[in-house]
Amino acid sequence: ETGVTQTPRHLVMGMTNKKSLKCEQHLGHNAMYWYKQSAKKPLELMFVYNFKEQTENNSVPSRFSPECPNSSHLFLHLHTLQPEDSALYLCASSHSGYEQYFGPGTRLTVT
Amino acid sequence: KQEVTQIPAALSVPEGENLVLNCSFTDSAIYNLQWFRQDPGKGLTSLLLIQSSQREQTSGRLNASLDKSSGRSTLYIAASQPGDSATYLCAVTGQAGTALIFGKGTTLSVSS
Repeated sequence: ETGVTQTPRHLVMGMTNKKSLKCEQHLGHNAMYWYKQSAKKPLELMFVYNFKEQTENNSVPSRFSPECPNSSHLFLHLHTLQPEDSALYLCASSHSGYEQYFGPGTRLTVT
Repeated sequence: KQEVTQIPAALSVPEGENLVLNCSFTDSAIYNLQWFRQDPGKGLTSLLLIQSSQREQTSGRLNASLDKSSGRSTLYIAASQPGDSATYLCAVTGQAGTALIFGKGTTLSVSS
């Protein structure tokens, strides 16, 4: 598979559940990103990883925990979420800060 | 703090029209600017990337310009088609490998 893939595409979870979102890039990029898109708000950054090291954290609550085991994989671990965390979560990758390529997103609903 | 504004928020045009989408940003110290397309409920498709040293980029019927000193970019779509209907997002980054700052987008509807 090419490009940036994300799984699952849709996720419904209760506030006490623990789940993980997965992102994989097949482009040989060295930077990976998590963004959140809520209704009526601009896309906003959550985390940036460069060469597996976290370089930006946009004041994200600790109930969101990222993990980047290598330059091709990025995870977002979720626990004790709130209904307002329901959103489209998008992963992106780039090479040395050039053009960012996005995955299809995971539509998360917290009940 | 960088802010990106897109005008108009929504636009409806008949098929065949040429149109311009506007993007402005408050801090001219950008590394690059990207235009994206997003279909409802889907991820983002990159349309054009303009480096800070460039003035414009073209791809097919799309042309994006950048005036860094005035903090403005435009996306020109020639001979619009119903398949162009989508939300168009403008985003800038301040340094290589850092986050994109997005506008809220312009939702375009092209009627046949």
